[in-house]
Order: sequence, then structure tokens, then C-alpha cells
Amino acid sequence: AQSVTQPDIHITVSEGASLELRCNYSYGATPYLFWYVQSPGQGLQLLLKYFSGDTLVQGIKGFEAEFKRSQSSFNLRKPSVHWSDAAEYFCAVGGATDKLIFGTGTRLQVFP
Amino acid sequence: GAVVSQHPSWVICKSGTSVKIECRSLDFQATTMFWYRQFPKQSLMLMATSNEGSKATYEQGVEKDKFLINHASLTLSTLTVTSAHPEDSSFYICSASPPRAGGLNNEQFFGPGTRLTVL
Repeated sequence: AQSVTQPDIHITVSEGASLELRCNYSYGATPYLFWYVQSPGQGLQLLLKYFSGDTLVQGIKGFEAEFKRSQSSFNLRKPSVHWSDAAEYFCAVGGATDKLIFGTGTRLQVFP
Repeated sequence: GAVVSQHPSWVICKSGTSVKIECRSLDFQATTMFWYRQFPKQSLMLMATSNEGSKATYEQGVEKDKFLINHASLTLSTLTVTSAHPEDSSFYICSASPPRAGGLNNEQFFGPGTRLTVL
């Protein structure tokens, strides 16, 4: 079955600290992987995506993610978190049909 | 570029009435649009996929007669919640994809969402 797992429901970090949000997927074909961010009451903004090629993907706002096929993972990282990064983060997997399957999300809280 | 709008941003209606939500791609043509539902502090659940000029494809468990989707043009899709009930209260988000290029999965551009409250 196709699925996305985000093991961490809620993460709290101090401003300036590094961040890693975990994402594991189960997909029967070549996965297309995405990370989205959602601020309260807002739609989703794409942070980055992986289709093929270099497994380390750079995104907006200083985020990056690494695709590890052997671990079925696509973890999101940022070396230094800013208070404005506080939001909900969703990992998603898709394929040729364009349908996306979303994880349950990780809520990031940033303390000053 | 790649802006998707939704209207209204929030709506309150009485039980039994119908509500229409519009999703527009403002600066690109969207051959495919998607409608999602999001409950508080939960993930997005795909309700249906609509392609311009054809009937929408609904996900399992989504009532076609209750959630009417129309994709009349390459820039507009509408979701009508018919005979709304309090359990239909939710955050509805649409997304749009431009024509597929090279067979790759296209990025979906998301609207800001519509919060529906049914009294």
C-alpha cells in the first residue's frame, strides 16, 4: 500500500538550532517526493521536490532534503531554524498519476 | 507565477443548504485540479481529481452526489457541498497542475483554502 509516515507529530527547537524532520514512504513505483509547509489557516507552499538525479535536493528558505532509497526516506533538514519557520510540515509522495499522498504532518514550534 | 485562488476564504451556512467553493488558477492553465479536505490538526485527504471537460474522479468513500465538482474551464473548478451538515465542516483546499511536461509528475500549486462551518 502507498503511504507516507511522519513519525514526529510535534517538534520543538530553539531558534538557531538545526532541524531534521523525518519522512518515510511506501510506494510501489519510482516515487516523486515533496515537502510542503503550511502556516495556520493557509494553503500549502512547496519547499522542495525530488523527481530524479542528485539525491540531495535544495529548496526554498534554506531547506534541503535527502532521498535515501535504501531507507525509503526523504528527511527534511535546515542548519539554522528561524522563528518564522514555525508551521506545519507535510511530506508527500506521488507518481505518474499526479495524485499525492500526504503524511500526517509535523508541527514545528520554535522558541526564541 | 503559479498562483491559485479560492473563494470564499471562509463561509458559514445553515444545515441543509448548499455551498459553492471556487478554485481558480490565475496565471496558468490547469488541466488537472484536485480537491482536498483537511480536518483540524490533520493531514490533507484527497477527495477528487478533476480534469477540464470531463467528470471528476472521486476517491473511495467520497460521496459524488454530495460533493459536486465541476471543471468547466482550464482556470476554474468548483466544489459544491450539497445539503451541508455540521459534519461537513472542514477546511477545503484545492490545487492545480499545469499540463504535464515530459511525463513527469507535475507540481501541484495549492490555493489558500476555504473554511466551511455548517451550523
